[in-house]
Amino acid sequence: KAGVTQTPRYLIKTRGQQVTLSCSPISGHRSVSWYQQTPGQGLQFLFEYFSETQRNKGNFPGRFSGRQFSNSRSEMNVSTLELGDSALYLCASSLDGRSHEQYFGPGTRLTVT
Amino acid sequence: GQSLEQPSEVTAVEGAIVQINCTYQTSGFYGLSWYQQHDGGAPTFLSYNALDGLEETGRFSSFLSRSDSYGYLLLQELQMKDSASYFCAVMDSNYQLIWGAGTKLIIKP
Repeated sequence: KAGVTQTPRYLIKTRGQQVTLSCSPISGHRSVSWYQQTPGQGLQFLFEYFSETQRNKGNFPGRFSGRQFSNSRSEMNVSTLELGDSALYLCASSLDGRSHEQYFGPGTRLTVT
Repeated sequence: GQSLEQPSEVTAVEGAIVQINCTYQTSGFYGLSWYQQHDGGAPTFLSYNALDGLEETGRFSSFLSRSDSYGYLLLQELQMKDSASYFCAVMDSNYQLIWGAGTKLIIKP
């Protein structure tokens, strides 16, 4: 069974631009969660999608948004990029979002200059 | 607020035993999990405790005391490949995983 995939793996953007990241979960998994990880910090929860609906949202500004498609693939968008948005963005999938075992993708390394 | 506290760094010798502690304060509790993340890699699930006591999975064991809001990960017979960051995470009342900042485990030969 293929794992969680994320594209692109690396991205360099300029302040003020916007970016869209993509995540394809494990086949059969309906829940996708997004996290931001910066050096020395744990994973900061962005949001969780289940069956195309945002079910949970973390404490991030409205510049961070996401969506999920009928095939469970998910995208997250960050508008008006700031230098502080430079981070590793991880997505994780699970069957129903209630499992402690989440399966992570390799992440997208975003650098904002 | 919700928080998980774990040491930022732990150093041990190859072949030894090391314990990584985690204390938590969350709204609701549906279990304590542990994840391993190698440099440049993705977090991978190690173990999960919903009830008090010790869970053993090979060289790794995890312990939970709900009355103390405390848990630990025990790694035995340390190998160089165990050098990684270890994260504890609690599932809160919204079924959201709240994460600690991670413990970097340094293993010396």
